[in-house]
Amino acid sequence: GAGVSQSPSNKVTEKGKDVELRCDPISGHTALYWYRQRLGQGLEFLIYFQGNSAPDKSGLPSDRFSAERTGESVSTLTIQRTQQEDSAVYLCASSPTGMTEAFFGQGTRLTVV
Amino acid sequence: AQSVTQLDSQVPVFEEAPVELRCNYSSSVSVYLFWYVQYPNQGLQLLLKYLSGSTLVESINGFEAEFNKSQTSFHLRKPSVHISDTAEYFCAVSPFSGGYNKLIFGAGTRLAVHP
Repeated sequence: GAGVSQSPSNKVTEKGKDVELRCDPISGHTALYWYRQRLGQGLEFLIYFQGNSAPDKSGLPSDRFSAERTGESVSTLTIQRTQQEDSAVYLCASSPTGMTEAFFGQGTRLTVV
Repeated sequence: AQSVTQLDSQVPVFEEAPVELRCNYSSSVSVYLFWYVQYPNQGLQLLLKYLSGSTLVESINGFEAEFNKSQTSFHLRKPSVHISDTAEYFCAVSPFSGGYNKLIFGAGTRLAVHP
């Protein structure tokens, strides 16, 4: 089927506004990851969902960031009161149980002005 | 916890020369190892992976990586690079501990192949 789908592909928002980013994982994949990639930098881990287990939120940079996932379906990453330093590409990936490979979406490019 | 160190942020090389991109990791448990590639203006895609078995793994475009447990390394090599190999390369690890498979990336190495 289709790969990992992220929407929107681009988002420009004003400082202080809230934004919601969406990720549709590959059907049947139990694990889902969110990463942040600032311009010219590496992948910064944000949060990891594995099936119905409690998510690993250890990478969320502040309490303005939150993410949800219902079962093994869609996930949303919410950033409240956006700041300019939140500008980055937000990447979502999913993998089947056992982690043989993670498949990435094309990302959402967030620009906070 | 796991961590990944990519020792070179940038590697410039001439076309047809050999290249090695270094990756070292730290983990208290056994791990799976991955190299991902990000071509300019494209998404991340898997280049190769080590899960078990032979410690030398190869990709379809001539890259290879060798898992060295004693040195906790997974360096990526290619004997002769092409202009089209210009990209950002990311090393990643995932612990295999039950159903917990968090994927941690290194900072990346930018490979620039010059004619």
